[in-house]
Amino acid sequence: EAGVAQSPRYKIIEKRQSVAFWCNPISGHATLYWYQQILGQGPKLLIQFQNNGVVDDSQLPKDRFSAERLKGVDSTLKIQPAKLEDSAVYLCASSLARGTGNTIYFGEGSWLTVV
Amino acid sequence: AQSVTQLDSQVPVFEEAPVELRCNYSSSVSVYLFWYVQYPNQGLQLLLKYLSGSTLVKGINGFEAEFNKSQTSFHLRKPSVHISDTAEYFCAVTMIYNQGGKLIFGQGTELSVKP
Repeated sequence: EAGVAQSPRYKIIEKRQSVAFWCNPISGHATLYWYQQILGQGPKLLIQFQNNGVVDDSQLPKDRFSAERLKGVDSTLKIQPAKLEDSAVYLCASSLARGTGNTIYFGEGSWLTVV
Repeated sequence: AQSVTQLDSQVPVFEEAPVELRCNYSSSVSVYLFWYVQYPNQGLQLLLKYLSGSTLVKGINGFEAEFNKSQTSFHLRKPSVHISDTAEYFCAVTMIYNQGGKLIFGQGTELSVKP
């Protein structure tokens, strides 16, 4: 079974530039998550989708971050304009359903460096 | 609100020695508990989870964890570690009755196994 796919794996941009990350969840998984992991910290949820609807975006900096999940499958996370503090690993994850006992599967992450 | 505290940021240990990685949580409601492992430059992989039943949970790679409700702890143990266990370990919780099922992570513990 294919895992959660993410691209690009690595990206270096200058501050104030924009960047987009793409995620393809495990086939059949209705719930999709984007987490931000800053070096030395645990992952923090940015946004959660159930199919193509947003369930939780309370910690998404909406002035610069946006995400969409058209057609309830792939998802894109965009940052515009980027700040130095956005340097982090952006982890996409998916689970079969929204129930809290379900295992959440993570992709390998997209590493962003803002200079 | 829920929070997770991993009491050790780094744990150095010699190969074949036992290890315990400590995790305490705080929550006003019942939670499910998880341990994830992150190898260098990779995403997170589920080691084990506690949903209900026996408080001693066995996971992959010889790891186990014990849920202690009175002490609000979920410590991870392995009786004999290998070099390949060198990684970052994250404890996480999710509220049982939270429809979203999002994970709240601790800060991580870096396990370094030396020959």
